[in-house]
Amino acid sequence: AQTVTQSQPEMSVQEAETVTLSCTYDTSESDYYLFWYKQPPSRQMILVIRQEAYKQQNATENRFSVNFQKAAKSFSLKISDSQLGDAAMYFCAYSVEYGNKLVFGAGTILRVKS
Amino acid sequence: KAGVTQTPRYLIKTRGQQVTLSCSPISGHRSVSWYQQTPGQGLQFLFEYFSETQRNKGNFPGRFSGRQFSNSRSEMNVSTLELGDSALYLCASSWVGGRNTEAFFGQGTRLTVV
Repeated sequence: AQTVTQSQPEMSVQEAETVTLSCTYDTSESDYYLFWYKQPPSRQMILVIRQEAYKQQNATENRFSVNFQKAAKSFSLKISDSQLGDAAMYFCAYSVEYGNKLVFGAGTILRVKS
Repeated sequence: KAGVTQTPRYLIKTRGQQVTLSCSPISGHRSVSWYQQTPGQGLQFLFEYFSETQRNKGNFPGRFSGRQFSNSRSEMNVSTLELGDSALYLCASSWVGGRNTEAFFGQGTRLTVV
């Protein structure tokens, strides 16, 4: 069974600094998708960034980028120039087979200090 | 374009009762997935519907069921409620439902079983 592990229950970062959130996963498939979702206090899950496993190039979206290490089954999220609005719970997720059957990690609470 | 709408936002039920939650996907989206979020178990996949057919199912007891209507709106039902069913139930919709499509989430229904 596919599993996703986020080993950091909570992280803190100073405003304007950079922070990296870790994620590892376990799968026997060679083709899959990985995602980082953000859940602010409003509870709305928002897609931050996604990575296609067959693509070697790491995905980037403005201040957000990933470090995808397929052999190590690692998928970390780097947030540059952190802003107060980045404070939220961040979930790493894996997409299996077809449909929206996402497997989520336990989440990392990110606190941003001003 | 309106987002994913879940109703009601909050619900309090008594143990043993049944409950129905509703999810209206983004217009044109045919895939709807449901997730349960609890502090102890995190985010867990319940089931996915595509074109009125259940296409994928998570590891939940038969008390949890769902359906999808011809307009893609979906409902999930939980019968014989238990205290452990207290959770945030999230619904997500996507255009096609394939693994490379983005899932858009609603704000969830907070169910409290007393």
